[in-house]
Amino acid sequence: KQEVTQIPAALSVPEGENLVLNCSFTDSAIYNLQWFRQDPGKGLTSLLLIQSSQREQTSGRLNASLDKSSGRSTLYIAASQPGDSATYLCAVRPGGNQFYFGTGTSLTVIP
Amino acid sequence: GAVVSQHPSRVICKSGTSVKIECRSLDFQATTMFWYRQFPKQSLMLMATSNEGSKATYEQGVEKDKFLINHASLTLSTLTVTSAHPEDSSFYICSASVAGGPKTQYFGPGTRLLVL
Repeated sequence: KQEVTQIPAALSVPEGENLVLNCSFTDSAIYNLQWFRQDPGKGLTSLLLIQSSQREQTSGRLNASLDKSSGRSTLYIAASQPGDSATYLCAVRPGGNQFYFGTGTSLTVIP
Repeated sequence: GAVVSQHPSRVICKSGTSVKIECRSLDFQATTMFWYRQFPKQSLMLMATSNEGSKATYEQGVEKDKFLINHASLTLSTLTVTSAHPEDSSFYICSASVAGGPKTQYFGPGTRLLVL
């Protein structure tokens, strides 16, 4: 069974700092990997989706990379802002429709 | 973009009662909808996959008689928590896949259930 781990569990940084969130998964046979943002008590907002054939995706200040062979993905956030404070989840899809979610990284950006 | 709504957003009920949660795809048809549960400080766990017009497929450890799922149309799936107990208190999130389109899932805003 696919297991997804996210490190660190929590992170607190001053505003303006660049940061990296890590995601690892045990089975490299994935269809795609997706990064989500979840605000407290809210649903999920999709940030970036990387297909298994891709190595990275960028959207604004966000950059996600994928190394399928090693079972790793990173989410890079440049010039962090207080509005970036949220929980970030990574999820992998082995195929079909099922997602396996990580436990998330809770990010706090201090003004 | 594709929008998924859930109703209600928050519900409080007494132990032993049943609660129905609706998941709707507002601007697209979804042949498949998914129900997830998220306990505090934990990640989302898939409970069941719901296909329009057929029985839902439940994940291991999820009681199908307790969590009734109905996917009667291409835009609506319902999750009914029967005889709810305090341990069923959780955040329930649905997602929907576009019929005939790429396999992107769109997530609803979630429903907070508190069973007293």
